[in-house]
Amino acid sequence: DAKTTQPNSMESNEEEPVHLPCNHSTISGTDYIHWYRQLPSQGPEYVIHGLTSNVNNRMASLAIAEDRKSSTLILHRATLRDAAVYYCILRDRDTDKLIFGTGTRLQVFP
Amino acid sequence: DTAVSQTPKYLVTQMGNDKSIKCEQNLGHDTMYWYKQDSKKFLKIMFSYNNKELIINETVPNRFSPKSPDKAHLNLHINSLELGDSAVYFCASSQEDRVNSEAFFGQGTRLTVV
Repeated sequence: DAKTTQPNSMESNEEEPVHLPCNHSTISGTDYIHWYRQLPSQGPEYVIHGLTSNVNNRMASLAIAEDRKSSTLILHRATLRDAAVYYCILRDRDTDKLIFGTGTRLQVFP
Repeated sequence: DTAVSQTPKYLVTQMGNDKSIKCEQNLGHDTMYWYKQDSKKFLKIMFSYNNKELIINETVPNRFSPKSPDKAHLNLHINSLELGDSAVYFCASSQEDRVNSEAFFGQGTRLTVV
């Protein structure tokens, strides 16, 4: 299973943008990059995913490096509700697994 | 309507007992999963079913037995419960085109074995 590396924790102030990095240097050509988050006492929640091109949705943006060895999840304006653990996951075509790493714990301050 | 629902939300039981956790999804998905989140918050996949057939069975004690009566349900039965089984168990589902689709998770079942 291809692995990802994320910082253990990050902090942000409310209303500010947040850039959550993820390294995945062993990514294969068929791996999709998925991001999930887990709010306190809740199940994981899908955020966004992409393959090669940058992606935008109502929750966030995903910026993927040209060599695909890293990506960045961008929250454009952090709110207190965005405080969660964010997981960067590689999902490959040949298996049926979402392999969660340790994630990045994001704290948002008022 | 809740997309993926688990029951019960909390379960406290004694060592040696047998218990079941139920999971239902109303999304029409073909694939369902069970994950375990331990006290260190590490989420680990246990099982995956596609159209009622077992696809993934990670290294899980055979005291754990998933059962899928139909593709909308994946129940988890645990025999001879041990203290180390205490964790939060999450059910999830996704479409068959898994790699390019999102998974939906339930709210979790907190199992405490005493």
